[in-house]
Formats: sequence, C-alpha cells, structure tokens
Amino acid sequence: ETGVTQSPTHLIKTRGQQVTLRCSSQSGHNTVSWYQQALGQGPQFIFQYYREEENGRGNFPPRFSGLQFPNYSSELNVNALELDDSALYLCASSSGAGPLGEQYFGPGTRLTVT
Amino acid sequence: QKEVEQNSGPLSVPEGAIASLNCTYSDRGSQSFFWYRQYSGKSPELIMSIYSNGDKEDGRFTAQLNKASQYVSLLIRDSQPSDSATYLCAVTNSGYALNFGKGTSLLVTP
Repeated sequence: ETGVTQSPTHLIKTRGQQVTLRCSSQSGHNTVSWYQQALGQGPQFIFQYYREEENGRGNFPPRFSGLQFPNYSSELNVNALELDDSALYLCASSSGAGPLGEQYFGPGTRLTVT
Repeated sequence: QKEVEQNSGPLSVPEGAIASLNCTYSDRGSQSFFWYRQYSGKSPELIMSIYSNGDKEDGRFTAQLNKASQYVSLLIRDSQPSDSATYLCAVTNSGYALNFGKGTSLLVTP
C-alpha cells in the first residue's frame, strides 16, 4: 500500500455531466499528478500540482481541471463528459525533495460514461 | 509525441525461469526510468527506478539502462506465478510527467 487514497472507487455518469474525483497524497508528499488509463493502454499524464499550483499539463482539453489544497490533497474535475472519458483515473503522489519523478499511485477511480 | 515502446506480449515463461522485459524510448533527453507492475483491475505499483547507465538490482529484479541505445529492460529471476501481471515502462525528462508504454503482459506458468 502506498498511502495514497482516492474516492470514489467507481462512478457511473451520463454524457454531458460533470464529475469530481478526489485524492489524498501519501504523508510527506507535496506533489500530486493525475493520469487517465484507458483499457489496454498505459496511463496518460493529465496534469501535476505542486504546492497548490499547476506544475505541468498533458494533452488534455480545458474541460479537465484540477485543484490542490493546503494539505496537498487534490481534485480532478471533468466537465461535459464524453463517452471516451470512460477510463481508470489514477492519482500519484511524490515528494518534491525525492528522487526525480518517482511517483506512487493510489488505487484509482473507475469512471464509466454512458 | 515522445514514444515509449513495449512489446505487448503476452510473454510466457515457466516458473523458475528468467523473464526479460524490454522497453525503448525516443526522447534522448530522458533522465529517469521506471518499471511499474500492474495486476488486472489494480493500479500500477512502482518496482524499480533507474537513473544512470548500467544495472540496478533489487531482490529478484534487475533493471538495465543503456542511454546510448535508448533502451531499458527489466529482468525477473526465479519467476513465480505471482509475477504474472502487466509491466509498464515509464520515462521522464521533466520530473513531473511520466510517459508510459502500453505495457507487456507476463504470464508465469507453474
């Protein structure tokens, strides 16, 4: 177990709706990254938050947005859901002071869009 | 688009054998290299990280990096049925965005 938690575990939404996913980072970690993993694919980087600021963003549209809170927990928000948004959403935490890029994943949230 | 390539498999090895998993990457600026293990229906678990050319050993796992050839591999010695999983190679040049391959499915048969 990494100590990274995510909620909810599973979620079913309808196309066009909005969703919020939550993540609590491992103790001592101040950086949270979000990834989307479609079935049979590797995780795709969405964005990273470091000390409440967005630190980098992948090739995802603006309807994917996020927040990081002072306790380093984070939210991923997705607006105007599309069928292709159905995937496993992974949160990973890391320490800004740790080895370059070493990230530890939470259990994920399985999102199904119908 | 910076690429990370892995053979999707499945790679089948008998119990007790050495499993060899390979990964190539296109970004010459890559600095950090990782292997994650992912069981079906679960999230990726970090098993090895490597930052400089050569071998790094941790228990039954050995990661090998060759930056000149843009190649990183993972050897699993004395493979066990519990090692059956998808192994994901991840590479980064930035320290924040991990760029993953699609993974190699490993099956260890008793």
